[in-house]
Amino acid sequence: EAGVAQSPRYKIIEKRQSVAFWCNPISGHATLYWYQQILGQGPKLLIQFQNNGVVDDSQLPKDRFSAERLKGVDSTLKIQPAKLEDSAVYLCASSFVRRGRSGANVLTFGAGSRLTVL
Amino acid sequence: AQKVTQAQTEISVVEKEDVTLDCVYETRDTTYYLFWYKQPPSGELVFLIRRNSFDEQNEISGRYSWNFQKSTSSFNFTITASQVVDSAVYFCALSEARQAGTALIFGKGTTLSVSS
Repeated sequence: EAGVAQSPRYKIIEKRQSVAFWCNPISGHATLYWYQQILGQGPKLLIQFQNNGVVDDSQLPKDRFSAERLKGVDSTLKIQPAKLEDSAVYLCASSFVRRGRSGANVLTFGAGSRLTVL
Repeated sequence: AQKVTQAQTEISVVEKEDVTLDCVYETRDTTYYLFWYKQPPSGELVFLIRRNSFDEQNEISGRYSWNFQKSTSSFNFTITASQVVDSAVYFCALSEARQAGTALIFGKGTTLSVSS
């Protein structure tokens, strides 16, 4: 089974520029997550989709971050304009929703997109 | 509020030593799930184990074992006879059973370095 695909793997931009990350989840996984992992910290959820609807975006800095999930499959995370503190690895994950066992889902992660903002 | 605490930032051991990684969690829910993930230098988070709050039976899988104690809100992970390939960052995570697809809340991770 193919894993979660992410691109680009690395991106270096100047502050105030924009950047976009792409994620293709595992086929059949209804739930897709974007996490931000700052160096030395654990991943922090930015946004969670189920199919093409947003389940949780409470920690997404909406003044500069946006995300969409096209037709319930691929997803794009955009940052505009970028700040120095946005330097991090952006991890995409997906999971299969199990009826009657909410919260039990095992997330499968992609390799991440490392962003450096100068 | 939900929270996961991994008090050990870094641990260094020599090959073949046993090592235990600590995890303490906070949640108000009675039904929840606990996870351990491994993040090797390549960066991809790899799932190791999942436990639900109703199952306190400890588990052993090869060189890995887990000790879940609800009384102390702890879910510790032990590697027996560590190997260099075990060097990675290990994350403990919590998920509550509020809705389908509930996201994981991660601790800050423990960096394990195993030298030969």
